[in-house]
Amino acid sequence: DQQVKQNSPSLSVQEGRISILNCDYTNSMFDYFLWYKKYPAEGPTFLISISSIKDKNEDGRFTVFLNKSAKHLSLHIVPSQPGDSAVYFCAASDTSGTYKYIFGTGTRLKVLA
Amino acid sequence: DVKVTQSSRYLVKRTGEKVFLECVQDMDHENMFWYRQDPGLGLRLIYFSYDVKMKEKGDIPEGYSVSREKKERFSLILESASTNQTSMYLCASSLSRLSLKGLFFGSGTQLSVL
Repeated sequence: DQQVKQNSPSLSVQEGRISILNCDYTNSMFDYFLWYKKYPAEGPTFLISISSIKDKNEDGRFTVFLNKSAKHLSLHIVPSQPGDSAVYFCAASDTSGTYKYIFGTGTRLKVLA
Repeated sequence: DVKVTQSSRYLVKRTGEKVFLECVQDMDHENMFWYRQDPGLGLRLIYFSYDVKMKEKGDIPEGYSVSREKKERFSLILESASTNQTSMYLCASSLSRLSLKGLFFGSGTQLSVL
């Protein structure tokens, strides 16, 4: 059973526009969420995170929004740049439980110049 | 910066071989993890370890085992490789259970089992 889902396998956006990547989860015990970016032939790298006590966290061009009632989070990239083209994974953790991080299936973002 | 080093970038093995994938981290992290990445399936957790000589099964442990004899080293073992174990294997570490930046990943090992 997929506890963390990214329903869009791919997304194309024009340079300078907003990219919105979505993630849904089913486990109400998850209380910490992260986004990772992955380039080909490299390991994922941490991008931004959010705790369940917040509904928004910003870091430069990247903002993560959390809607706990809908069990939904999204990553906004504004403005999008060609270097943002990568696969993006969301991940969730229950910090009171095990040490596990559960990942989604990923969304491939392509930013067109 | 944290460095997680996986010993091989590419490996080609034959069905039935015993395969060792090695991972070393240099930041004294407590927790280490092995994931595999497959198209359309994302990253799936195979095994993790929260202390030396301690290990726990992840979501897909069948066909794998692990070893953590030293804090900095976490090995993934395929006892008898099969073609359905062809995948990208990613090792990761985290400082503690409540690590705010989550996991630090190695560059991955692309394993092909023929």
